[in-house]
Amino acid sequence: DAKTTQPPSMDCAEGRAANLPCNHSTISGNEYVYWYRQIHSQGPQYIIHGLKNNETNEMASLIITEDRKSSTLILPHATLRDTAVYYCIVRGGGSQGNLIFGKGTKLSVKP
Amino acid sequence: GAGVSQTPSNKVTEKGKYVELRCDPISGHTALYWYRQSLGQGPEFLIYFQGTGAADDSGLPNDRFFAVRPEGSVSTLKIQRTERGDSAVYLCASSPGIRVGDTQYFGPGTRLTVL
Repeated sequence: DAKTTQPPSMDCAEGRAANLPCNHSTISGNEYVYWYRQIHSQGPQYIIHGLKNNETNEMASLIITEDRKSSTLILPHATLRDTAVYYCIVRGGGSQGNLIFGKGTKLSVKP
Repeated sequence: GAGVSQTPSNKVTEKGKYVELRCDPISGHTALYWYRQSLGQGPEFLIYFQGTGAADDSGLPNDRFFAVRPEGSVSTLKIQRTERGDSAVYLCASSPGIRVGDTQYFGPGTRLTVL
């Protein structure tokens, strides 16, 4: 089972920041937090990952709380093309292979 | 550079038939993963390879499903005696290695429909 909890859906206005929360209260010390998104009818697209420090790349920022029990993915200026299902995944520990996906958050960016 | 590619993009078959789905990983990636995604669900793990060998096949639903990667690059997922419940999108991903920080990159998937 997925080790993460995400809201099933969120709306965001175009041009505004989208903040997607994720709870992972049972995360272990050697487990990473990964974020992927899936636009309709496409394969999942990697966004960002982190262990305990905040991370930023050209797509997004990842903020991980100090106790590592939750995180937030931030899309700083959402566009209509960011409408997708966003998956937060905890990976690592004894299972270094597969990703375990939950149902994700359906983000709808509206004009 | 080229990403993960999968062929065919769509496959329609009849119940009881045999199908093969192909995955071409990113060049140089040693790890290759297969997932299956049913409508409205997140992808579910099937099997992964490190090089030529299957490192974990615990996600294969039954013995009708089999995958190979004979030369450590291209992989084929094989499904025998297909059933209507096998209809799904089959996704392939590759990564540079199997370390926990090695990112998996996904292909576009093959949509399998069993009539």
